[in-house]
Amino acid sequence: EPEVTQTPSHQVTQMGQEVILRCVPISNHLYFYWYRQILGQKVEFLVSFYNNEISEKSEIFDDQFSVERPDGSNFTLKIRSTKLEDSAMYFCASSVQGYNEQFFGPGTRLTVL
Amino acid sequence: TQLLEQSPQFLSIQEGENLTVYCNSSSVFSSLQWYRQEPGEGPVLLVTVVTGGEVKKLKRLTFQFGDARKDSSLHITAAQPGDTGLYLCAGHRWDSNYQLIWGAGTKLIIKP
Repeated sequence: EPEVTQTPSHQVTQMGQEVILRCVPISNHLYFYWYRQILGQKVEFLVSFYNNEISEKSEIFDDQFSVERPDGSNFTLKIRSTKLEDSAMYFCASSVQGYNEQFFGPGTRLTVL
Repeated sequence: TQLLEQSPQFLSIQEGENLTVYCNSSSVFSSLQWYRQEPGEGPVLLVTVVTGGEVKKLKRLTFQFGDARKDSSLHITAAQPGDTGLYLCAGHRWDSNYQLIWGAGTKLIIKP
């Protein structure tokens, strides 16, 4: 069964460093998403991406964040200068259409020291 | 603002009992999805409900979408220890194109 994959599973970085989180969405899906979940808190929407551009973003997704689909399979989230409060699980998701069911990857645990 | 409120937050019951968890909002949702999440893993989709009043069954799990599309419920019949986990509801609001709005989850423990 097709699934969303994410790498790495765990990333540890120093405050102020740049990190890139990688995702491979399900191959026939057209819409891609990033969410985050701070430990013990709700899942929060960051950004959606369609047709090589951002279609919607939340207030969390500020200038420190960017997304990219560098080739036909990968979808990346870059955090330019990490802060302590960026420590969270980051989930990638994909869907066939915008209103369709979203399927989630296993997540990347980001720890900022 | 709590757009999606789940209740109860925590539920611990004996194997074989029935239970219902709720997902409520004052906002209208174009669809609601139920996920199950294990610790340290991503949410796994269980079901999507789209039509007001819709009922969907997945083995011993019954999902219902309210007539006004503002609320949903998950009913588990004859709960088993394998049902233990965190159950999350998430929805597309009518005025939001893509993002899912999430509830805080119901932590369910089924004791053998």
